[in-house]
Amino acid sequence: DSGVTQTPKHLITATGQRVTLRCSPRSGDLSVYWYQQSLDQGLQFLIHYYNGEERAKGNILERFSAQQFPDLHSELNLSSLELGDSALYFCASSALAGVETQYFGPGTRLLVL
Amino acid sequence: AQKVTQAQTEISVVEKEDVTLDCVYETRDTTYYLFWYKQPPSGELVFLIRRNSFDEQNEISGRYSWNFQKSTSSFNFTITASQVVDSAVYFCALSESLGSSNTGKLIFGQGTTLQVKP
Repeated sequence: DSGVTQTPKHLITATGQRVTLRCSPRSGDLSVYWYQQSLDQGLQFLIHYYNGEERAKGNILERFSAQQFPDLHSELNLSSLELGDSALYFCASSALAGVETQYFGPGTRLLVL
Repeated sequence: AQKVTQAQTEISVVEKEDVTLDCVYETRDTTYYLFWYKQPPSGELVFLIRRNSFDEQNEISGRYSWNFQKSTSSFNFTITASQVVDSAVYFCALSESLGSSNTGKLIFGQGTTLQVKP
């Protein structure tokens, strides 16, 4: 158990819908990262937040957005969902920003029908 | 551009065999970090090791060992006396940097699926 929690574990929804994925980092960690794992793209970095502020963005679609709240938990919002958004979404956390080891949560498996 | 290549897509061994998973990386940075993660069938990503570019000493942890060679840009992972519980997908990753700053982004290889048969 990494100490990072993600909810829900599974999510099934329809195209065009909007969903919110939630992540709680390890106790004391200030950074939260989001990654998407799909069969065709592999593991792709989406976004990094440090202590409430966005630090880096990857190839995150405009339909996707994220935020980190004052209690340091983070949410990833996915809207206007498409079939291709079906994937495993991971959240990771680290103590600080930069080259710290990232500890991953169990992931949220999203299926868009 | 930074890149990680795991050329072995799938490896199958019989229990107790030794197996080496290859990882080759590309970066122009002089300071960087390399990682290995394990993804068992249950799906979570488990951290195994982190190594910085200045530390070329090989590392051993139980049945696991890592060989880092800057000259060949490789960071290979060996499992000695493999066990069925080692069956998983293994990912090598490189920390991204943009000039002098590190973004925190990990660049992952495509992963190697290891199947250990009893």
